[in-house]
Amino acid sequence: EAQVTQNPRYLITVTGKKLTVTCSQNMNHEYMSWYRQDPGLGLRQIYYSMNVEVTDKGDVPEGYKVSRKEKRNFPLILESPSPNQTSLYFCASSLEGRGNSPLHFGNGTRLTVT
Amino acid sequence: AQSVSQHNHHVILSEAASLELGCNYSYGGTVNLFWYVQYPGQHLQLLLKYFSGDPLVKGIKGFEAEFIKSKFSFNLRKPSVQWSDTAEYFCAVNPYGNNRLAFGKGNQVVVIP
Repeated sequence: EAQVTQNPRYLITVTGKKLTVTCSQNMNHEYMSWYRQDPGLGLRQIYYSMNVEVTDKGDVPEGYKVSRKEKRNFPLILESPSPNQTSLYFCASSLEGRGNSPLHFGNGTRLTVT
Repeated sequence: AQSVSQHNHHVILSEAASLELGCNYSYGGTVNLFWYVQYPGQHLQLLLKYFSGDPLVKGIKGFEAEFIKSKFSFNLRKPSVQWSDTAEYFCAVNPYGNNRLAFGKGNQVVVIP
């Protein structure tokens, strides 16, 4: 089944403790992206990747890191999480990143930073 | 700043009522347009998309959207909603050739049986 898989689904952590949210897609998509969803703010893009080894900042990259060493994986790294990073995170992928193909979303990761 | 605007963030209506959600964007030039739906507790799914051609596009579950270039709008409609249409709806815009997709803030729609 074609899908985007995120793990974990739920994560509670403390301020400053490094964490990684994994994202994997099995559709051979070139483009991958991370979003955070907050009430009243919609979806805001954190980082995106046009292809392997190519990543770029989105609208809200501060406090996050990403890597794209393989086509299928695009982990989101929070080196030192803070409470304002408490949010619902979605990974998404598409065939290409020029806007001609729709995004496929993962099931989301709900992160709470205390 | 370029943006995507969705109005009436919270919409409550009864089954069989008609639904229209507005979406306006501020990008010039050619754009690709999308509506995504997020059912409670689920991830976003594509509802419909417009790239070119007939400005009236039909999506899944009886939804349709009309692209009006002169108004920079891409409004979503459904003639008769069902309880199962309770969800959050997001408009998204991708300026052609741009590798970024901008989302609106969403419309929370509640359909009362």
